[in-house]
Amino acid sequence: EAQVTQNPRYLITVTGKKLTVTCSQNMNHEYMSWYRQDPGLGLRQIYYSMNVEVTDKGDVPEGYKVSRKEKRNFPLILESPSPNQTSLYFCASSLWTGHGYTFGSGTRLTVV
Amino acid sequence: RKEVEQDPGPFNVPEGATVAFNCTYSNSASQSFFWYRQDCRKEPKLLMSVYSSGNEDGRFTAQLNRASQYISLLIRDSKLSDSATYLCVVNTNAGKSTFGDGTTLTVKP
Repeated sequence: EAQVTQNPRYLITVTGKKLTVTCSQNMNHEYMSWYRQDPGLGLRQIYYSMNVEVTDKGDVPEGYKVSRKEKRNFPLILESPSPNQTSLYFCASSLWTGHGYTFGSGTRLTVV
Repeated sequence: RKEVEQDPGPFNVPEGATVAFNCTYSNSASQSFFWYRQDCRKEPKLLMSVYSSGNEDGRFTAQLNRASQYISLLIRDSKLSDSATYLCVVNTNAGKSTFGDGTTLTVKP
């Protein structure tokens, strides 16, 4: 089944403890992207990747890192999480930017 | 001013009604346009791409006006199952992707 898989689905962590949210797609898509969704602010793009080893900042990259060492994986890294990074996170992929995205099921992160 | 603006809603309509959503964008480098639906904080799902020539998929019709930087979605014969939040999305070829805040639709019996 063609899908984007995010893990974990839910995570509660403490301020400053490094964490990684994984994202993997099995559709051989070139493009991958991370978003966060907050009430009243909609979905905002954090980072995106047009291809392997190519990543760019979206609208809200501060406090996040990503890597794209292989086409299928695009992990989101929070080196030192803070409470303002509590949010619902979505990973998405597509053949290219002109195609619609397939989203993962989301990761609900709480930083206390 | 936000890069992508949608009707704030909410829209509450009876079954069978026709409802239209509007979206404007400000980035003239935008090249690809989409409508997604999102149910109760689940992942957004692609509803349809939007083309200048207009496109239709069953009860749904999408339209793009590049000159006015305006996108629309028309839903005919609304069903209870159409109740959701509808998101307008605008992409550049460079990979930047901007979502509208969404318009909530509730279809009532």
